[in-house]
Amino acid sequence: QSVLTQPPSVSGAPGQKVTISCTGSSSNIGAGYDVHWYQQLPGTAPKLLIYGNSNRPSGVPDRFSGSKSGTSASLAITGLQAEDEADYYCQSYDSSLSGSVFGGGTKLTVL
Amino acid sequence: QLQLQESGPGLVKPSETLSLTCTVSGGSISSTNYYWGWIRQPPGRGLEWIGSIYYSGSTYYNPSLKSRVTISVDTSKNQFSLKLSSVTAADTAVYYCARHIRYFYYYMDVWGKGTTVTVSS
Repeated sequence: QSVLTQPPSVSGAPGQKVTISCTGSSSNIGAGYDVHWYQQLPGTAPKLLIYGNSNRPSGVPDRFSGSKSGTSASLAITGLQAEDEADYYCQSYDSSLSGSVFGGGTKLTVL
Repeated sequence: QLQLQESGPGLVKPSETLSLTCTVSGGSISSTNYYWGWIRQPPGRGLEWIGSIYYSGSTYYNPSLKSRVTISVDTSKNQFSLKLSSVTAADTAVYYCARHIRYFYYYMDVWGKGTTVTVSS
């Protein structure tokens, strides 16, 4: 059971928009700690997608955006492309555990 | 460009100690703005933070693994290492090393490719 809760899977057709949620609690996201997102393509290492809730590293398309509110965060992907098919993970800090925590991951399928 | 490379045995026997090293190239492990971490991913499952270290040697561990984990740094070799003792089949995973920005719990912007470790007799 992950400290941060993500839906196991989401799907969408090419060109559509999908949103992936990341739900935490008062000891992590709700306490004001930043949320970061990673994309993991099959058989590869995770890649930083969004940092500090809503910032994109250089080279990440603006189709990817992040937001945070209360005890939750979201990753939105617009204009879905086949190459977006991957696992997505959120990450934050939990003060009760005094460490970094990940969501369980969400598998995105592009129909 | 900064690169991280994990190395170590791919097969470890139950009850023994897993030892991995991460070599940092293209940058200094002694940079003050970064921490260095280990993350693992069991087959078909999600990511788990194992622990992180600062170049000075300060360490931070996942409470669930703390009793079995030791992370160390060798600044002269630009490397940091992971030791996980008393391993079981549950420790079978892909192990990644990564660079944290600013804090030991903050985002990881550079990752190694990962190394698969299987625990089996």
